[in-house]
Amino acid sequence: NAGVTQTPKFQVLKTGQSMTLQCAQDMNHNSMYWYRQDPGMGLRLIYYSASEGTTDKGEVPNGYNVSRLNKREFSLRLESAAPSQTSVYFCASSHPSDNSPLHFGNGTRLTVT
Amino acid sequence: AQSVTQLGSHVSVSEGALVLLRCNYSSSVPPYLFWYVQYPNQGLQLLLKYTSAATLVKGINGFEAEFKKSETSFHLTKPSAHMSDAAEYFCAVSWITGGGNKLTFGTGTQLKVEL
Repeated sequence: NAGVTQTPKFQVLKTGQSMTLQCAQDMNHNSMYWYRQDPGMGLRLIYYSASEGTTDKGEVPNGYNVSRLNKREFSLRLESAAPSQTSVYFCASSHPSDNSPLHFGNGTRLTVT
Repeated sequence: AQSVTQLGSHVSVSEGALVLLRCNYSSSVPPYLFWYVQYPNQGLQLLLKYTSAATLVKGINGFEAEFKKSETSFHLTKPSAHMSDAAEYFCAVSWITGGGNKLTFGTGTQLKVEL
């Protein structure tokens, strides 16, 4: 049982390049999330998808787009990467109830030069 | 807007000593509260969660947390620290949306355990 799988694990981009971070879960969860983690700032929500077919902005959505491809997959796209997007990105999934714990992937470490 | 404050970005304890990691929340109604742990180069794992069934919540690895409404706190404790407890700990709060569980995280506390 893989849980939440993120690819790639590491990525280096030049300013202005684009890329898509992939996330898939095999726990039949309805809700999926993208967070970024920066030193001293904890985790901040970028986008989330409460259920298949819906997506909504979180706390820091600027510079990102998402696609809920199906119930299993939720991708995060950087159209034109900036150094401020250097971070560790985590995908998570959960059941849709308000007190359901999130299950996290192992993260993608992105560096933008 | 709800917020979470974790006092102390770094906490150091001796092996066998009490672990106390502090978390205070800001909310007009009692929220759902969580503690997560992150080991190096890994994602976050759930330690425990408070959902109003009981104010003292027991989690994995001997950790527990007590919800105190009057103090708006949800501090994490463990009676005796072990070297394997060294990690970063995050307190998180969620609000009722009816659509997904969007957590607001604290800034984290790095726990160091010394011999």
